[in-house]
Amino acid sequence: GAVVSQHPSRVICKSGTSVKIECRSLDFQATTMFWYRQFPKQSLMLMATSNEGSKATYEQGVEKDKFLINHASLTLSTLTVTSAHPEDSSFYICSALEAPDVGEQFFGPGTRLTVL
Amino acid sequence: GQNIDQPTEMTATEGAIVQINCTYQTSGFNGLFWYQQHAGEAPTFLSYNVLDGLEEKGRFSSFLSRSKGYSYLLLKELQMKDSASYLCAVRDSNYQLIWGAGTKLIIKP
Repeated sequence: GAVVSQHPSRVICKSGTSVKIECRSLDFQATTMFWYRQFPKQSLMLMATSNEGSKATYEQGVEKDKFLINHASLTLSTLTVTSAHPEDSSFYICSALEAPDVGEQFFGPGTRLTVL
Repeated sequence: GQNIDQPTEMTATEGAIVQINCTYQTSGFNGLFWYQQHAGEAPTFLSYNVLDGLEEKGRFSSFLSRSKGYSYLLLKELQMKDSASYLCAVRDSNYQLIWGAGTKLIIKP
């Protein structure tokens, strides 16, 4: 299957700092990428959908000024958590689609964010 | 509203068979997915059903009935490594995945 990478896999930061997470599709071009957040023992929560070259579509309740998403190329999307706070500590997972109407979403390995 | 229901937790014995059910009510239907997720890891794809019937892939099979809004994941010859959460997800008319809360499967020796 297709490969999606995420970097970093783990990050610990101080409250008030910003953290950037990268999501790359390694062997295919992703027209659409998704960013999820998952709290312990809970299901995946979709944060936003991003299409290459256009603004991300955020789910209700997700602050777009706090979670900045950039999908500058067909193989790279970034999520920046700005002014992180302890309640932002979570498991952030990206996934990618080659085309929006076919196939499965390929998931990255996830990024564990801990804000002190 | 859109809704995916699956049991919260199930327990089974190593070597046995277990069936995890999923019922859904969504705005449109463009396929149903099953994913496996081990603790602390991202989900991995198991199966995809878009037409009614059974899809078999090794020890895992997935069934779909669109008229009933129902699917199940069948795991045979259970192994300890199958202990994980199993997520049911439906792609709606906007091609967005709607996720169930997951079923935690505990395998006992």
